[in-house]
Amino acid sequence: DAKTTQPPSMDCAEGRAANLPCNHSTISGNEYVYWYRQIHSQGPQYIIHGLKNNETNEMASLIITEDRKSSTLILPHATLRDTAVYYCIVTNPGTYKYIFGTGTRLKVLA
Amino acid sequence: NAGVMQNPRHLVRRRGQEARLRCSPMKGHSHVYWYRQLPEEGLKFMVYLQKENIIDESGMPKERFSAEFPKEGPSILRIQQVVRGDSAAYFCASLPGQGNEQYFGPGTRLTVT
Repeated sequence: DAKTTQPPSMDCAEGRAANLPCNHSTISGNEYVYWYRQIHSQGPQYIIHGLKNNETNEMASLIITEDRKSSTLILPHATLRDTAVYYCIVTNPGTYKYIFGTGTRLKVLA
Repeated sequence: NAGVMQNPRHLVRRRGQEARLRCSPMKGHSHVYWYRQLPEEGLKFMVYLQKENIIDESGMPKERFSAEFPKEGPSILRIQQVVRGDSAAYFCASLPGQGNEQYFGPGTRLTVT
């Protein structure tokens, strides 16, 4: 079973920030949080990952709470092309396996 | 730098036939994972391979399914005597080493009639 809980769906207006939450209350100290997205039926695309510090790259920002029990993926200026299913995954690099939940279906509205 | 390649992209098989799915990892990547995705569901881990080694096949059905990643050539996921329940999208992912992010291919959509 997935170690994460995400809302099944969210809407976001184009140009606004999309904030996607993820609960991972049973995360262990050496486990990372990874975010991927799947556009239509394509292969999942890596977005970002982090351990305990907030992270930012050209695609998104990842905010991890101090207790590491939850995180938020932020797409700062959502576009229609960001419409996708977003998966939050908790994984230990030593075990290498991704366990996907059902993700959040984000719809960006014009 | 070409991404992960999978072929065929679509495969139709009759019940009882064999299906062979191929995955060519990114250049320099020696680790391959296979996942299966049923409609409206998340991806399910099947098997993890390194060159010439199966590291973890805990997600793969014990019968009819096998996987290999030879020293030369693509990784192959083989399904013998396919049944309708095998209809799904099969994705492979590659990475240069353990603990890195995985890069996914476009998938093979298998339809069993």
